[in-house]
Order: sequence, then C-alpha cells, then structure tokens
Amino acid sequence: SQTIHQWPATLVQPVGSPLSLECTVEGTSNPNLYWYRQAAGRGLQLLFYSVGIGQISSEVPQNLSASRPQDRQFILSSKKLLLSDSGFYLCAWSVVPDRDTEAFFGQGTRLTVV
Amino acid sequence: GQNIDQPTEMTATEGAIVQINCTYQTSGFNGLFWYQQHAGEAPTFLSYNVLDGLEEKGRFSSFLSRSKGYSYLLLKELQMKDSASYLCAVRDSNYQLIWGAGTKLIIKP
Repeated sequence: SQTIHQWPATLVQPVGSPLSLECTVEGTSNPNLYWYRQAAGRGLQLLFYSVGIGQISSEVPQNLSASRPQDRQFILSSKKLLLSDSGFYLCAWSVVPDRDTEAFFGQGTRLTVV
Repeated sequence: GQNIDQPTEMTATEGAIVQINCTYQTSGFNGLFWYQQHAGEAPTFLSYNVLDGLEEKGRFSSFLSRSKGYSYLLLKELQMKDSASYLCAVRDSNYQLIWGAGTKLIIKP
C-alpha cells in the first residue's frame, strides 16, 4: 500500500532562518506531488506541484522554493523565512493520470516563524 | 476569479443529520471532492462527484448539481468523532484543485 511521510510535525524558526521540509512517498512510482499551505480558517493554497523529477511548477510567487531530487521525494525550502510564512504545510500525492482520483496527504508540518 | 463558498461553522446534535453546502464558480469543472480534516491533522478523502446526483457511502452522502454549481455533504447518525472541518474542492479545467475554506462542524451531545 502507498504511504506518505512528511516531517517534521512541528517547527519553530526565527525570522530570517532557512527552512527545509521533506516529504517522501512509498509504494508508488512517478506520482504527482504537491505542497500546500493552510492558514488558520482558510482553504488549502497550492504552492508547488511536480509531475516528475526536476519538474516543478510554482503557483504562488514567494520566498519559498521546491525541489524533487528523486522520484518520490519532494522538498520545500526557503533561504530566509518571513513571519508570514507561518502556517500548516501539507505535502500530497496523487496517481498519474490523476483526473479521476483523489489526493492523499501527509501528516502536515505546523511552522511557526517567530 | 475562482471561488468556493462553504459556511464557516455549523453545529449539530449527536445522532442527528446535517447537510453542509458548497457552491462553486470555477473555470471549468472536472469533479468535486469532499475531505474531512480533524484539528491539526491532514485532510482525508470522503467522496468524489463528477456527474449530477447522489453518491452514498455509509453514513456519508454527497450530492452534485453541475448546472447550479452546487454540492452538499450529508452526514447521518452523527457521532462525536464527526466533529471536524469539512473541505469542498473542485478540479478546474486545468485539473487543479481549488479548495474552499472548510466548514467547522461542532457536534453536541
């Protein structure tokens, strides 16, 4: 069966510090991978998605970046965090083609920038 | 622009029935999803509608009317564990998911 791992679960970082969140998927090949952010009381905002190794699409311009160094690994990074980067970050995957299937989410990372 | 509207919060009684509505305006339509999200946890998939009508899955049912841009999630025989946020999401013409802000459902004994 397929599983998705995302870590860490919680993170408190000072403003201006770097960020690296990692997500890995097991039990499937060539998945579509996604990074979302969810602010309190808000819907999910798509940040990045990837359809293959090294292929990253950015949905929202900001100081975050994403990379996919391996087929089932997706990394969210920042060189310098802002206060506004605080939120709940979710990694998700879906099968290819994903037109009639749902997305499966990791446990999420609660990031607080102080 | 694209828009998904859901009530912010609803309250219901254990054992009762509740209907959570979702209206959408998107550039194209390729399916509507409902997810459940407990506080501090990731969303989990509940249902998928792409054709008009009702999809039933145990205590949960989801309805879609594409002409009206409308869906609802119906929860029967409510249990305390159903207290959660319920997210409506629409897949648009580019097959991207557009998410509503979610409806927080509070179940009272």
